[in-house]
Amino acid sequence: AQSVAQPEDQVNVAEGNPLTVKCTYSVSGNPYLFWYVQYPNRGLQFLLKYITGDNLVKGSYGFEAEFNKSQTSFHLKKPSALVSDSALYFCAVREEGSNYQLIWGAGTKLIIKP
Amino acid sequence: DGGITQSPKYLFRKEGQNVTLSCEQNLNHDAMYWYRQDPGQGLRLIYYSQIVNDFQKGDIAEGYSVSREKKESFPLTVTSAQKNPTAFYLCASSISGQLVHEQYFGPGTRLTVT
Repeated sequence: AQSVAQPEDQVNVAEGNPLTVKCTYSVSGNPYLFWYVQYPNRGLQFLLKYITGDNLVKGSYGFEAEFNKSQTSFHLKKPSALVSDSALYFCAVREEGSNYQLIWGAGTKLIIKP
Repeated sequence: DGGITQSPKYLFRKEGQNVTLSCEQNLNHDAMYWYRQDPGQGLRLIYYSQIVNDFQKGDIAEGYSVSREKKESFPLTVTSAQKNPTAFYLCASSISGQLVHEQYFGPGTRLTVT
């Protein structure tokens, strides 16, 4: 069965420091991986996706994510956090060849302190 | 200005009443989705539609109904059979027919049933 885990409910980072939001997945075949961000009482916004190719994927707002097949991980990173990055972050996966459904993680609340 | 609109933003209903949530998109996307979001949980798929006049149940379809009479519109009805309808509801759309595609989300409707 497909699944996604975001092991941290909350991540606290000081402004200007690098940030990492963790995501691990489980699928039988090749994964398609996504990161989305949600600001309070808003819909989700797409940040980036991994389909194939380079393991380091660059996305919106200076975020990037690294696909690690051996560790089945797709951690979201940013070199220097901004207070405005504070939000809820969701990782999602779909297995190659499956239907349109995405499997979503429970979300990680990112708090950037000035 | 392209995007997905959901109305209303906040909705209050008495228990036992059916209520319909609106979702409209002008992105010319074939696929549309309805999700439910509860605190501390990832998104759960209620229904999705890949093409006009066709839709499929997601993981938690019981107590909900949808229609897809037009490409632009995918309304969700929360019926009195839904045991715990209070939640944040998100509509999304995506390009259909591609192997991999990101979903674009509306701003959401917060439904409170008392």
